Amino acid sequence: DQQVKQNSPSLSVQEGRISILNCDYTNSMFDYFLWYKKYPAEGPTFLISISSIKDKNEDGRFTVFLNKSAKHLSLHIVPSQPGDSAVYFCAALNNAGNMLTFGGGTRLMVKP
Amino acid sequence: GAGVSQSPSNKVTEKGKDVELRCDPISGHTALYWYRQSLGQGLEFLIYFQGNSAPDKSGLPSDRFSAERTGGSVSTLTIQRTQQEDSAVYLCASSSLGGAQFFGPGTRLTVL
Repeated sequence: DQQVKQNSPSLSVQEGRISILNCDYTNSMFDYFLWYKKYPAEGPTFLISISSIKDKNEDGRFTVFLNKSAKHLSLHIVPSQPGDSAVYFCAALNNAGNMLTFGGGTRLMVKP
Repeated sequence: GAGVSQSPSNKVTEKGKDVELRCDPISGHTALYWYRQSLGQGLEFLIYFQGNSAPDKSGLPSDRFSAERTGGSVSTLTIQRTQQEDSAVYLCASSSLGGAQFFGPGTRLTVL
């Protein structure tokens, strides 16, 4: 049973437009969420995180939104750049703070 | 170095052989994690070390898998009697207490 789901395996966006990556979770005990970006043959790179006490966190072109009642979070990238093309993983931290549960990833392709 | 390092970057082995994968975490990080990513799959948690506490081994898929962390720093993941289904990228991450996890580049294991 997947506790963290990314229902879109891929997303294609034109350069300069907004990319919206979605993530749903089922465990209401998760209280900290993270987004990672992964290029081929590299480990995931931490992008941005959000605590469950917030509904938005912004860092440059990246904004994460959290809707606790819907158990849904999203990552917005604006404006999208070709270098953003990668696989994006949503992850949730358990309340013991020791284990990340990852979604299956969404491959983002930003076309020039 | 400043980041998490892993060795080897690639390992090809024959079915039935034992393999050891090494992880050097970021200096000062007390927590160390092992994950794996099989082809077409998301990231799967394997094991977690925090300081001198007993490791959380709840994600290890079988008793052929073991890991140790010597001196609270370097960790070795050992897979005994490898099987073809063990083929995956094995990722190590480290974090400070409560901090985001930073990943190494991974070791790609291929079991023939």
